[in-house]
Amino acid sequence: EIVLTQSPATLSLSPGERASLSCRASHRISNYIAWYQQKPGQAPRLVIYDASNRATGIPARFSGSGSGTDFTLTISSLEPEDFAVYYCQESSNWPPITFGQGTRLEIK
Amino acid sequence: QEQLVESGGALVKPGGSLRLSCAASGFTFSDHSMTWIRQAPGKGLEWVSLISGDDEIIYYTDSVKGRFTISRDNAKSSLFLHMTSLRAEDSAMYYCARGSPGYDRSGYYDEFYHGLDLWGLGTTVTVSS
Repeated sequence: EIVLTQSPATLSLSPGERASLSCRASHRISNYIAWYQQKPGQAPRLVIYDASNRATGIPARFSGSGSGTDFTLTISSLEPEDFAVYYCQESSNWPPITFGQGTRLEIK
Repeated sequence: QEQLVESGGALVKPGGSLRLSCAASGFTFSDHSMTWIRQAPGKGLEWVSLISGDDEIIYYTDSVKGRFTISRDNAKSSLFLHMTSLRAEDSAMYYCARGSPGYDRSGYYDEFYHGLDLWGLGTTVTVSS
């Protein structure tokens, strides 16, 4: 079973800064990585799939990269609405469908 | 527009049962595998169960095997989760989420390659005496 480890647990940044969120897999998983954004009281929203493809309606400031075991979600210039919890998820060999523990992106 | 709406969450005593429903609209329901994902208060996301579009493939996370049953009615565009022998640790927001299929870089077709691209707002299950 794949284990996903996200870091850091909390990232404190200011609007306009660049955010880099990491997701490391315990085994090689090709590109079966997705990223989700979850704001308080809301359902998760797909941001990135196939490691680097933006989901429908996601702004271009969001990008994903990586392969194998190390993946990164980058937000090039933070907007106030980007502060949320972000989860990575993999499905290279389901079941199970596995989520990381999340990174809280908070306003500094 | 495409939408998922969960219902059926409630306060139930330990050992009790509950049936969650998820009504889909705006897309061809039978074309998609579906999942139940849960989130305990203040915690992360946990996959619970999945079912293929033709309900030939069904899986559960280990902690709910033998207690939960996933099913679907494609004619009614509905997904269900029948939960029995409920425990305090089953307390959570339960989301239904749609699998987005695609071909990976090797040309292999996977039901979830494009992630879980549509989520409902969730329904709350609380197990407490």
